[in-house]
Amino acid sequence: SQQGEEDPQALSIQEGENATMNCSYKTSINNLQWYRQNSGRGLVHLILIRSNEREKHSGRLRVTLDTSKKSSSLLITASRAADTASYFCATDVGNQGGKLIFGQGTELSVKP
Amino acid sequence: DTGVSQDPRHKITKRGQNVTFRCDPISEHNRLYWYRQTLGQGPEFLTYFQNEAQLEKSRLLSDRFSAERPKGSFSTLEIQRTEQGDSAMYLCASSLDRKGSYEQYFGPGTRLTVT
Repeated sequence: SQQGEEDPQALSIQEGENATMNCSYKTSINNLQWYRQNSGRGLVHLILIRSNEREKHSGRLRVTLDTSKKSSSLLITASRAADTASYFCATDVGNQGGKLIFGQGTELSVKP
Repeated sequence: DTGVSQDPRHKITKRGQNVTFRCDPISEHNRLYWYRQTLGQGPEFLTYFQNEAQLEKSRLLSDRFSAERPKGSFSTLEIQRTEQGDSAMYLCASSLDRKGSYEQYFGPGTRLTVT
C-alpha cells in the first residue's frame, strides 16, 4: 500500500519559475527520500533527509521535513525544461532500514 | 556501465506461464531490492536482501512470487502461473549499507505484459 500522498498530482510551470511539491506520510520514518523518474533515465535518487534533520539543500533542490506534521516538501528553484519528470517521495520505514514506501508522485511539466 | 542492470527489458508471456527476471546490482552494494510499478503509480515494495539473506517480503506478494540472491550478488525474481494482473514494470535497486542511510540506485526495469 502507498503511504505517501503527494500534492499536487500535476504541476505545470514556465522555465525559470520555482516548483514546490508536497508529501505527507502516516508512520514514523528512518528517513525520507525524493526520486525523479522520466522515460529516458528511469528512477533517479535526488536527495535524502534523515528524520532528525529539518532542511537540506542540494544544488537547485531544497527539501524540508516536519516530523510533527509528517510532511515534507521539495522545492526546485529556477526550473528548466529538463526538470520535466515525475517526482516521488519515498519514506524509509523498515526496522533494518532501506524498505521504501513511495507516494503516487507529482508530474511536473516545465514549459520553455 | 557500472549501474544496476536488468534482463530482459521486456517480456511478453501468456497467462499461466512462468517468467524469471534477473537483476545485477552495483558490484559493491550489499543490499538489493525489488519493486513493482504500474502506470500512474509509484513503485510498490516487493522484497529486499542484505547479501544473500532475504530480510522482508511484502504481504502483497503472493506465493506465486519468489526471489533469490544465492551468492549475494545478482538476484532473480520468478513469477509462477502468471496472471494478467501481474502486468507491470518490475524494478530492481541496490544500495550500500552506510550508517543507516540507504539511497537506492534503480535499474531500467523489466516490463512484463501478460496476455
